[in-house]
Amino acid sequence: GAGVSQSPSNKVTEKGKDVELRCDPISGHTALYWYRQRLGQGLEFLIYFQGNSAPDKSGLPSDRFSAERTGESVSTLTIQRTQQEDSAVYLCASSSVRRGMTYSEKLFFGSGTQLSVL
Amino acid sequence: LAKTTQPISMDSYEGQEVNITCSHNNIATNDYITWYQQFPSQGPRFIIQGYKTKVTNEVASLFIPADRKSSTLSLPRVSLSDTAVYYCLVGDDNTGFQKLVFGTGTRLLVSP
Repeated sequence: GAGVSQSPSNKVTEKGKDVELRCDPISGHTALYWYRQRLGQGLEFLIYFQGNSAPDKSGLPSDRFSAERTGESVSTLTIQRTQQEDSAVYLCASSSVRRGMTYSEKLFFGSGTQLSVL
Repeated sequence: LAKTTQPISMDSYEGQEVNITCSHNNIATNDYITWYQQFPSQGPRFIIQGYKTKVTNEVASLFIPADRKSSTLSLPRVSLSDTAVYYCLVGDDNTGFQKLVFGTGTRLLVSP
């Protein structure tokens, strides 16, 4: 597709269940980001991929959160043993990284997955 | 870690010019400044990006002083549809890669 695609758009789950959120970035984009946004709040950085590796996992809130990326394409964010505090919109973004002496990066976001933990 | 500070909210009326200022005192030499717009139930959307002085596109202008410790997003003649949250980002060079960190954002409300 032309843009970043996330699925599902909405997910309702029970406390303690595991969930998987999927992100399909724009084809050819090497960088991929996951953010979390609670209701009425700003974006909270979770994890960043360059290719299939994640040089920065500092934003993952706990060891219940993990993410992987394969084929420099699709990424999956997994939340194990979900808690009510995990309820939020999970946003994925991708970009075409251009490295050099001066650096600019534009992120293209998906519409997010609204996760509700009951 | 380059951190940004923005006003939490701003109010305006249709047809007015709106200026939103972002502080980024620890901006690094190679960092760019980027602004995003977010409507409810949507992901943020790129508005404008700059390194120094002034940048203008069909949507907005971005003013960056010589010390680059702040930047101002200028929206000319706003309309009701410009009601949104606006985020200022500064690139953070860490281990050779950039990690863009969103600030708190500014909630702009445009009234008739």
